[in-house]
Amino acid sequence: AQTVTQSQPEMSVQEAETVTLSCTYDTSESDYYLFWYKQPPSRQMILVIRQEAYKQQNATENRFSVNFQKAAKSFSLKISDSQLGDAAMYFCAYRSASGAGSYQLTFGKGTKLSVIP
Amino acid sequence: DAGVIQSPRHEVTEMGQEVTLRCKPISGHNSLFWYRQTMMRGLELLIYFNNNVPIDDSGMPEDRFSAKMPNASFSTLKIQPSEPRDSAVYFCASSVDRGRRGYFGPGTRLTVT
Repeated sequence: AQTVTQSQPEMSVQEAETVTLSCTYDTSESDYYLFWYKQPPSRQMILVIRQEAYKQQNATENRFSVNFQKAAKSFSLKISDSQLGDAAMYFCAYRSASGAGSYQLTFGKGTKLSVIP
Repeated sequence: DAGVIQSPRHEVTEMGQEVTLRCKPISGHNSLFWYRQTMMRGLELLIYFNNNVPIDDSGMPEDRFSAKMPNASFSTLKIQPSEPRDSAVYFCASSVDRGRRGYFGPGTRLTVT
């Protein structure tokens, strides 16, 4: 079974600065997807960014980018120019790309990000 | 598109009562998921439907929980009888087939006293 580990329960960043959230995962599969979801106080789960394991290029969405290290099974999220609205819980998630379990998202425990004005 | 719709947004009930949570997936999506989020266990998949058929219900905690999807536009998660340890946020999500991403609803916060 796949596992996803987020080793930082809480992080804080000064507004306009850059912060990196860590995520590692364990899998024996070669083809899979990785996700970062944001959950603000409203509870809504919002997809921030997605990475396909077969792509070497790191995904980028505006101020959000990832550092995907497949061999190390690491998938960190970098938030640049942090804004007050970035304050939220961030969840790393894994999904197989094929096979019987390819519908299931496996989530990490989350990292609570605070943004300091 | 209205996104995934869940109702109610908040539910407070007494132990022993029946609770029904409702979900309307995004039109055209044929995969539907029910998740539960608690502080202790994080986000857990309860059940997965594909084309209205339950494919994997291994995450359903016990017989008190049941889920149905009578048609492509509606699903329910029922807890009977409810217990305080069922208190959690319950999310419904849908996707196109297995898809590459799931769209989450706003969640239902359930409190059982």
